[in-house]
Amino acid sequence: AQSVTQLDSQVPVFEEAPVELRCNYSSSVSVYLFWYVQYPNQGLQLLLKYLSGSTLVKGINGFEAEFNKSQTSFHLRKPSVHISDTAEYFCAVSNTGGFKTIFGAGTRLFVKA
Amino acid sequence: DTAVSQTPKYLVTQMGNDKSIKCEQNLGHDTMYWYKQDSKKFLKIMFSYNNKELIINETVPNRFSPKSPDKAHLNLHINSLELGDSAVYFCASSQGPGVRADTQYFGPGTRLTVL
Repeated sequence: AQSVTQLDSQVPVFEEAPVELRCNYSSSVSVYLFWYVQYPNQGLQLLLKYLSGSTLVKGINGFEAEFNKSQTSFHLRKPSVHISDTAEYFCAVSNTGGFKTIFGAGTRLFVKA
Repeated sequence: DTAVSQTPKYLVTQMGNDKSIKCEQNLGHDTMYWYKQDSKKFLKIMFSYNNKELIINETVPNRFSPKSPDKAHLNLHINSLELGDSAVYFCASSQGPGVRADTQYFGPGTRLTVL
C-alpha cells in the first residue's frame, strides 16, 4: 500500500521569500511522484512529476522538487514566491502499473504582501 | 477549449433527492476518474474507468453509480442524497495504462450542497 504525508497543513510566507513544501511517501514498490496545484475554486493542475533519472525536477511557474529515495521525500521548493502562488498544493504518488493515484492532504500556501 | 468539463458547477438539493453530474473530456484519453474533495480539501478517489470499464471502486456507497456511455464521458448519479454527500466532486482524465507517470487533467469541479 502507498501513502503520502504532507507535513504542513498551512505555510504562510512573505512575497519574494523562498518556500519549501514538504512531502513524504511510503511504498513497497517503485512509484511516480507528482505535485499538483489547486487555485481557489478551480480543479487541480500538474506542477511537475518525477519518473526516474535526475532527482531534481523542474516544473511550471518556477517550482522545482527533489526526489530523495533514502528519505522517501519529494519536497517542493520555489526560491521567490509571488502573491499569485497562493493556492493549495497536493503531493501525490502512483505505482508504476496502476490506475490509482494517492493524494496527500494538501498544504495551503499563503503568500503575504 | 475546455479539456475536461463538468456540469453543473453548483448543485443545491434536498436530502433524499437523486441527482446527476456530467463529465466530458475532449483530450482523447482512455481513463477517467471521479474524486470527492471534502471541506478540509482532502481529495479521495471514488471511481476509475478505463475504456468505459470500471477499474476502481473505492468502497463508495452503492447510492453512487457511475456511468460511462463512451470513452469521452463519465457521469455520476447519486441516489437518496445525504448531508454527508456535500462536497466538491472532481472529474479527471488521463491517457491510460502503459503511460509512465500518467498525468491527470481535472475538471473545474461541481460543488454539491445537500440541505
